Amino acid sequence: EAGVTQFPSHSVIEKGQTVTLRCDPISGHDNLYWYRRVMGKEIKFLLHFVKESKQDESGMPNNRFLAERTGGTYSTLKVQPAELEDSGVYFCASSQARGGRDIQYFGAGTRLSVL
Amino acid sequence: RKEVEQDPGPFNVPEGATVAFNCTYSNSASQSFFWYRQDCRKEPKLLMSVYSSGNEDGRFTAQLNRASQYISLLIRDSKLSDSATYLCVARPNFNKFYFGSGTKLNVKP
Repeated sequence: EAGVTQFPSHSVIEKGQTVTLRCDPISGHDNLYWYRRVMGKEIKFLLHFVKESKQDESGMPNNRFLAERTGGTYSTLKVQPAELEDSGVYFCASSQARGGRDIQYFGAGTRLSVL
Repeated sequence: RKEVEQDPGPFNVPEGATVAFNCTYSNSASQSFFWYRQDCRKEPKLLMSVYSSGNEDGRFTAQLNRASQYISLLIRDSKLSDSATYLCVARPNFNKFYFGSGTKLNVKP
């Protein structure tokens, strides 16, 4: 069974440009989470989808970030326009709730460098 | 104040040693806790879930102390392959997971 896949693995862009990150969860997983880790800091929650519905997006830094999950399958996270402080590793995780004790499986992450 | 706090380490131990990490959490509503292992430049991988007082899996034991709001991870008979960063995670509700910054473990021959 394929795990959580993220694309691209690494993106280098200039300040002001737009970048779109993609996450393909494990097939059948309704829950999809986005996280970000900036250098030297802990992994921080960004938002949570259940199928195509946003359950909690309180961790999104500002309105330059837009996440979508059309059809409840893969998800995209767009940053527009990118700023220097957006650099970091963006992780996606998915889970299939089992009585509330769901286990998250993480993708390998997208390393974003904004120059 | 951070939601989850961990000693960053590093903990440098010889092979075969027993090592323990502690993690404190601030949200008393947290019901579920997890220990993840993360190797350098890799994704976090689940090591253990803790829903009640504790959990044990082979050489790894996790203990939860709700009164003091901390979780511990004990590793017995350390192996070289245990070298990694260990992330403590608290889950206050269905939507959110709060990560600690991680504790680095180096197991030396």
